[in-house]
Amino acid sequence: QQQVKQSPQSLIVQKGGISIINCAYENTAFDYFPWYQQFPGKGPALLIAIRPDVSEKKEGRFTISFNKSAKQFSLHIMDSQPGDSATYFCAASNNNDMRFGAGTRLTVKP
Amino acid sequence: ETGVTQSPTHLIKTRGQQVTLRCSSQSGHNTVSWYQQALGQGPQFIFQYYREEENGRGNFPPRFSGLQFPNYSSELNVNALELDDSALYLCASSPDPGANTGELFFGEGSRLTVL
Repeated sequence: QQQVKQSPQSLIVQKGGISIINCAYENTAFDYFPWYQQFPGKGPALLIAIRPDVSEKKEGRFTISFNKSAKQFSLHIMDSQPGDSATYFCAASNNNDMRFGAGTRLTVKP
Repeated sequence: ETGVTQSPTHLIKTRGQQVTLRCSSQSGHNTVSWYQQALGQGPQFIFQYYREEENGRGNFPPRFSGLQFPNYSSELNVNALELDDSALYLCASSPDPGANTGELFFGEGSRLTVL
């Protein structure tokens, strides 16, 4: 059922470094691409989202880069902090069906 | 503003039993979606309810069923439980049925263990 492939599965970054997570999708009908952050014991929470009519969106330290022709998008976390340690999910949706990637467990070492 | 609340938080059932999970949507939201999140995996879409009607369904068998009530709260029912049903069940509410028009607000989930 997974139509969104996410990599890497896990990522370890030093404090202050850049974290990069990549996703690829198959269905060209997808028209909304959010990233969710999930802490242990909590539900996912929206971090940032993009629509395919733009190639980049930045909110604070978080940036989404979107490549429509390659059907790929990525999340960049600048100046990564230990508090960013969590599991990140990319997703893609069309109408009422949102498909999630398998997740990336990010650990930011102090 | 009250967020999405789910109950129970944890439960243990045996194979073949039935389970009901409950969700109260965020204030002002008329749409509830249910997701299954297996350990180490991303959430998978089960179905969505909008104005008390099922409004889309993922690749889950009919023994997964749901309800939405006039106050927009919702239930997920799973019959004939199987070991593979062990997962975190997430409820998400949104102000309208189109998932691509805005964010989903997730609850903390109900963790079901089937023995």
